[in-house]
Amino acid sequence: ESVLTQSPGTLSLSPGERATLSCRASQRVTSTYLAWYQQRPGQAPRLLIYGVSSRATGTPDRFSGSGSGTDFTLTISRLEPEDFAMYYCQQYDILGGAFGQGTRLEI
Amino acid sequence: EVQLVQSGAEVKKPGESLKISCKASGFSFTDYWIGWVRQMPGKGLEWMGIVYPSDSDVKYSPSFQGQIIISADKSINTAYLQWNSLKSSDTAMYYCVRHGGKWTTLTWFGPWGQGTLVTVSS
Repeated sequence: ESVLTQSPGTLSLSPGERATLSCRASQRVTSTYLAWYQQRPGQAPRLLIYGVSSRATGTPDRFSGSGSGTDFTLTISRLEPEDFAMYYCQQYDILGGAFGQGTRLEI
Repeated sequence: EVQLVQSGAEVKKPGESLKISCKASGFSFTDYWIGWVRQMPGKGLEWMGIVYPSDSDVKYSPSFQGQIIISADKSINTAYLQWNSLKSSDTAMYYCVRHGGKWTTLTWFGPWGQGTLVTVSS
């Protein structure tokens, strides 16, 4: 069973700054089977990035994903107020996928 | 628009049964796996299981096997999550999700339903 570890647990930044969120898998991710989700307070998660770096419909281009193997990164180039939320990575090369524990991005 | 709309919040007592629903629209319901994800208060995301509405094939997470029943009715484009005997530890938000690619289980999750809050308390 693969375990995804996200860091940092909490990231405190200001609007306009750049955010870098990390996701490390305990087992190598097959191909590009890595996704990122955003969950705002009181809302359902929504897909941001799939296939490591492909933006889902509606994802602003300030969001970008990168990485390979066991180390992956979500970058938000210039933070907007609505970007302060929880972010989860998911490895989906196994049945049901495996989620990281999340990174809280706070103002 | 591809959409999943879940049934409303529930308050139940321990030992009671419950079935919550997830109605799909905007896509071919029988072409995609539909799953359920649990989020306990203040916690992360846990995959519970999936159903393929075309033939009702179901796969469960080992953590939830025997505790829940997942099903689907393709005639009304609706998936279900069911408990026969609730426990207080079942208190959580439950999301239904569509797998991102047709036919395969090895894809991302999207879209997500709005969530159904289940509260189990005596």
